[in-house]
Amino acid sequence: EPEVTQTPSHQVTQMGQEVILRCVPISNHLYFYWYRQILGQKVEFLVSFYNNEISEKSEIFDDQFSVERPDGSNFTLKIRSTKLEDSAMYFCASRWGAEAFFGQGTRLTVV
Amino acid sequence: AQKITQTQPGMFVQEKEAVTLDCTYDTSDQSYGLFWYKQPSSGEMIFLIYQGSYDEQNATEGRYSLNFQKARKSANLVISASQLGDSAMYFCAMREGGGGGADGLTFGKGTHLIIQP
Repeated sequence: EPEVTQTPSHQVTQMGQEVILRCVPISNHLYFYWYRQILGQKVEFLVSFYNNEISEKSEIFDDQFSVERPDGSNFTLKIRSTKLEDSAMYFCASRWGAEAFFGQGTRLTVV
Repeated sequence: AQKITQTQPGMFVQEKEAVTLDCTYDTSDQSYGLFWYKQPSSGEMIFLIYQGSYDEQNATEGRYSLNFQKARKSANLVISASQLGDSAMYFCAMREGGGGGADGLTFGKGTHLIIQP
C-alpha cells in the first residue's frame, strides 16, 4: 500500500542552524501539507501546497519557513534559523480525495 | 472560539466495550469535512474515518462509526467492541470549504483512550 515517507525520523540541531525536512508524498496525490505537533499538544497546520505553489499558510508559518517541491516526488520543509520552540514532531501529509495520509513524522529537537 | 472541541482529555474503557469519543465543531461554512485520526504511542497519525457535511448517512469503517449530528455540530467517534490495540490518542479534525480545496485540517486537542483488560 502506498505511503507517505519522511526522512529523517529524528533530527537534532543547534539553535540558529538551518534544517531541511524531507517528504515523499503518495505519487498520484495533488495536495501536500506540513503540520507540527509540539510534545503533548495538538497537531497544528503549517502550510498547504498545490499546483506547485503555497495554497494556504498559518500564522506559525513565518519567514523562517519555506517549502519546495523540487522534483516530481520530493516535498521539503526548510527552517532557516531554528529556535528552541521549533522543537516538535513535523508531519508531512498528502491527499487526492477527502482524507489526508500522514507520514510517520520527523522529530526535530533544537538544542 | 475553538473550531474543534474534544472535552474528554482521557478515558478508561474495559476491553470489548463500546466507546464514544466526543467532538463538537464550529464553522460557518456549509461545506466541510470531519475526520478522526488515531495516534498510537509510536507517534504516527492513522486516518480512521471521514464524514462530509452533505453526507446524510453516518460514515462507518469496520468497527468505527461517526455519529454525525449536524444541527448540534457534533461528530462523535464510536468504536465498537474495543480492543487493547485501540489504546491511543484520538484526534477529531475538520477541513472547511469542501473537499476540493487545499485547506488544511484543524485538529482538536485529542482524547487519550486507554483500554483495560
